[in-house]
Amino acid sequence: ETGVTQSPTHLIKTRGQQVTLRCSSQSGHNTVSWYQQALGQGPQFIFQYYREEENGRGNFPPRFSGLQFPNYSSELNVNALELDDSALYLCASSANGQGAKTGELFFGEGSRLTVL
Amino acid sequence: GDSVTQMEGPVTLSEEAFLTINCTYTATGYPSLFWYVQYPGEGLQLLLKATKADDKGSNKGFEATYRKETTSFHLEKGSVQVSDSAVYFCALKDSSYKLIFGSGTRLLVRP
Repeated sequence: ETGVTQSPTHLIKTRGQQVTLRCSSQSGHNTVSWYQQALGQGPQFIFQYYREEENGRGNFPPRFSGLQFPNYSSELNVNALELDDSALYLCASSANGQGAKTGELFFGEGSRLTVL
Repeated sequence: GDSVTQMEGPVTLSEEAFLTINCTYTATGYPSLFWYVQYPGEGLQLLLKATKADDKGSNKGFEATYRKETTSFHLEKGSVQVSDSAVYFCALKDSSYKLIFGSGTRLLVRP
């Protein structure tokens, strides 16, 4: 069983640039959530995708956007990067939207973004 | 809004010591409660959960009991091992899609 994989693992951008982070969900999982984890903090919910539709969103501005593809992989896009966007971005998957009901999520190792 | 508060770390223990990591929550409804663990170089993993008051979650020797009267979900283990060194996150889920995490507690177990 293949786990959740994310790419890239590390990247550096400058303020104002745009970034795309990618996630492949665990085999058999059709629901993907994205979380932002600032240094020394717990993860914060950005949004969730189920069957290619966003079906839940946290308190993040519209410059944070996402996609889910027919193979259930997902992208997180952040436009107009700000210094405070520096964080570890975590992708989590679950089966049949169950993560939304049970809270049982399978996380990747994350993509660490540094904005200079 | 809903929130989770954990004891600050790091918590440093000797092998075979007793572990308690405190977690309290604030929620308007009846949330489910979780402990997730992040081992070095790995993603977050679900350690245990409890879905209603007085439920006890357990896994790998760790236990936590959902205490509604004290709004707490403290994590305990009777005898820690070096391999338990990790960051532990308490979290809750209400009726929405999201998990709300605490800030994490780093545990370091010395041989």
